[in-house]
Amino acid sequence: QAQLVQSGSELKKPGASVKVSCKASGYTFTISTLNWVRQAPGQGLEWMARINPNTGNPTFAQAFTGRFVFSLDKSVSTAYLQISSLRAEDTAVYYCARSGFYSGAFDLWGQGTVVTVSS
Amino acid sequence: DIQMTQSPSSLSASVGDRVTITCQASQDISNSLNWYQQKPGKAPKLLIYDESNLETGVPSRFSGSGSGTHFTFTIISLQPEDIATYYCQQYDNLPYTFGQGTKLDIK
Repeated sequence: QAQLVQSGSELKKPGASVKVSCKASGYTFTISTLNWVRQAPGQGLEWMARINPNTGNPTFAQAFTGRFVFSLDKSVSTAYLQISSLRAEDTAVYYCARSGFYSGAFDLWGQGTVVTVSS
Repeated sequence: DIQMTQSPSSLSASVGDRVTITCQASQDISNSLNWYQQKPGKAPKLLIYDESNLETGVPSRFSGSGSGTHFTFTIISLQPEDIATYYCQQYDNLPYTFGQGTKLDIK
């Protein structure tokens, strides 16, 4: 069955970098868009970006420019989120989620990756 | 950015009750509205897409309606397993945006 499997929890110090992966299986990777959604502790959901597996070009929310890099490797059906110069406020659960090219409905989600930034 | 305002932010109801959550968009989003359920420690789950379409496998006690700027999510007979936080989400314009969530528990 279709699934998205994310990499494990990360504990990082402020200023470090982290790379989260999201591996797709059970469906054709190139017929859907991959999205990233952040959820800070005790908070709601915040859409970060989407990336077209065919072009590799991301579209992202303004709050996620600069320190955030969204990429993918079509050959292994995997999307990546890299965050550099980590700050305490980056502590959150990061989810990847699938949507159609013309639909913003996230019908398949990864299990989430907890990123904790603490000295 | 389009702001999505959900109400109430929390809600207590009894098993068997009809539960209604509303979501107001800051501008017309046509029917580009989805609803998700999130249980503690779990990823969100899509329940309703395109305002009123039930995702495959989702029980028929869940429904959605509305258009333009005002949307409603209803559980016609609350079950114990429905305890969760519910979010609306618009996809009419980028960036996609979510409501702040409605935490539902059993009275």
